[in-house]
Amino acid sequence: EIVLTQSPATLSLSPGERATLSCRASQSISKYLGWYQQKPGQPPRLVIYDTSNRATGIPARFSGSGSGTDFTLTISGLEPEDFAHYYCQQRIDWPPYTFGQGTKLEIK
Amino acid sequence: EEQLLESGGSLVQPGGSLRLSCSTSGFTFRSYAMSWLRQAPVKGLEWVSGVDPTGADTYYADSVKGRFTISRDNSKNTLYLQMDSLTAEDTAVYFCAKMGVDLYWYFDLWGRGTLVTVSS
Repeated sequence: EIVLTQSPATLSLSPGERATLSCRASQSISKYLGWYQQKPGQPPRLVIYDTSNRATGIPARFSGSGSGTDFTLTISGLEPEDFAHYYCQQRIDWPPYTFGQGTKLEIK
Repeated sequence: EEQLLESGGSLVQPGGSLRLSCSTSGFTFRSYAMSWLRQAPVKGLEWVSGVDPTGADTYYADSVKGRFTISRDNSKNTLYLQMDSLTAEDTAVYFCAKMGVDLYWYFDLWGRGTLVTVSS
């Protein structure tokens, strides 16, 4: 089973700043990593698929990069609605599909 | 508009059973793989089970294998999860999620979830 480790656990930033969230895989997953955003009381929403592709309706301030075992989600110019939990997930080796433990992006 | 709506969650005693349903609309249900995922209180996300578009191929997390059964009725555009031998560790919000034309994809649409609480 592939283990995904996200860092930091919590990221405190102000609106307008740039957020950098990391996800590290226990073995190579090529480009097959996605990112989800989850706000309190809501289901997760796919933000990025296959490392760098924005899902439908996701604004251009969200970008993803990486390959192999190290991946990054960057949010440039944080908007108030961007503060949420973010989870990474791999789709190359399943079952099971595995998720990272999450990063909480909070307002500083 | 694509929509998923889970139902069937409730309070159940340890050792009990429950059947969750996921009604879908706005897309061609029979063309897409589907999954169930769960999220325990203040916890992360866990994939539980997945099924291919035809219902012929099913997959389970080790934590539920032998106790949970996923199925689908393409004539009713509905996904199901039969949960037996429930334990406290199964307490969570259960989400159904749409995938791609096969299981080699992400969870690109989620329902709002249904709460399952296992407690005496």
